[in-house]
Amino acid sequence: QVHLQESGPGLVKPSETLSLTCAVSGGSIRSNWWSWVRQPPGKGLEWIGEIYHSGSTNYNPSLKSRVTISVDKSKNQFSLRLSSVTAADTAVYYCARHMTGANTFDSWGQGTLVIVSS
Amino acid sequence: QSALTQPASVSGSPGQSITISCTGTSSDVGGYNSVSWYQQHPGKPPKLMIFDVTNRPSGVSNRFSGSKSGNTASLTISGLQAEDEADYYCSSYTSISTPLYVFGTGTKVTVL
Repeated sequence: QVHLQESGPGLVKPSETLSLTCAVSGGSIRSNWWSWVRQPPGKGLEWIGEIYHSGSTNYNPSLKSRVTISVDKSKNQFSLRLSSVTAADTAVYYCARHMTGANTFDSWGQGTLVIVSS
Repeated sequence: QSALTQPASVSGSPGQSITISCTGTSSDVGGYNSVSWYQQHPGKPPKLMIFDVTNRPSGVSNRFSGSKSGNTASLTISGLQAEDEADYYCSSYTSISTPLYVFGTGTKVTVL
């Protein structure tokens, strides 16, 4: 049973860079695609981007200019960086695993709330 | 890429069946058999309930079923139970210019 755990600062100042890490346990990061999804308080889900263990990435066009997703195979984890944040980036950030052979997310982390405020 | 359209709320009594719709376009819902449904209880992460339009992951009750017609996908919950009260989100894969995923606006299911 794979387990995903997000970690990172819960408070980020406007214009700075949000950085989060997703640690994967119970499975290898080499076996699937992995994504970040966020959810502003009281609102819906938004896909941020995905990464494969090879380093291949795809990003949501609406965030592409500010997003970088990277993978560290030695630590079995992947990371998110979102630059030039504003209050609109305040959200619960989830990491998720793509199901093998399907365009869907079958395992999710518990999520971490990031507040953008000075 | 705009969010998929879902009704804001749907309600039903225990034992009844309800259906949640998810309307997109020919570029997402209508163009791919990659529609998923997620259940989300307050303060919890989403849980996959249906993938590839009609498939249930192992462990998900067969009271949950999915379908699609044209640009609209649907989730039906039969034999509604109190534990089904939650938010439900649809999602579709799309690949207009780059692979990406789009979610629905979300539906609050209330068990009366």
